[in-house]
Amino acid sequence: AQKITQTQPGMFVQEKEAVTLDCTYDTSDPSYGLFWYKQPSSGEMIFLIYQGSYDQQNATEGRYSLNFQKARKSANLVISASQLGDSAMYFCAMRGRSTGRRALTFGSGTRLQVQP
Amino acid sequence: GAVVSQHPSRVICKSGTSVKIECRSLDFQATTMFWYRQFPKQSLMLMATSNEGSKATYEQGVEKDKFLINHASLTLSTLTVTSAHPEDSSFYICSALHGSGQYNEKLFFGSGTQLSVL
Repeated sequence: AQKITQTQPGMFVQEKEAVTLDCTYDTSDPSYGLFWYKQPSSGEMIFLIYQGSYDQQNATEGRYSLNFQKARKSANLVISASQLGDSAMYFCAMRGRSTGRRALTFGSGTRLQVQP
Repeated sequence: GAVVSQHPSRVICKSGTSVKIECRSLDFQATTMFWYRQFPKQSLMLMATSNEGSKATYEQGVEKDKFLINHASLTLSTLTVTSAHPEDSSFYICSALHGSGQYNEKLFFGSGTQLSVL
């Protein structure tokens, strides 16, 4: 079974500062993928960044980077230079490879509020 | 990124009626789509996996006769909530797999449907 844990129900950050959203996971699958999605108040899920369990480097996508620590089973999302438009729910998710299950398992989410 | 269109975005219906929600992949073919349900301030819970040309696979606890899924083409999956009741009120969101079948294939989501059953 796979499990994603996001321990921060809500976070505040000042505009232009960096913020880290925590994500830990548990899986028995030796090969897996980790994802982060953003959900604004409008409801759509926006893909942000992906990290493969065997990737040698941490993933980066613009202002988003993923701090992947495999031994600790953590995949924290770092948003640099926060903008007001970053205010949203953020979900960490994962998919194991060997099970053949292609759906994502999501964490409970973190609500980020960027303050001017 | 790939575009997934979901319609309607909001629907209000009377108890006992059926509601159909459509999910379309606009610029790619999706042999597999997923339907999730999300309660307020909660995470997304997988309801079922929709496979083109075959029966959907439902998660444990999801009533297949209540939530009918049809994936008749490579770009369209529909979810029909039959005989809806107030407890079915929720945010339903579809997603489509885009990729080459590897484990890093990405999931793109529709904009969701807010169902309210009176």
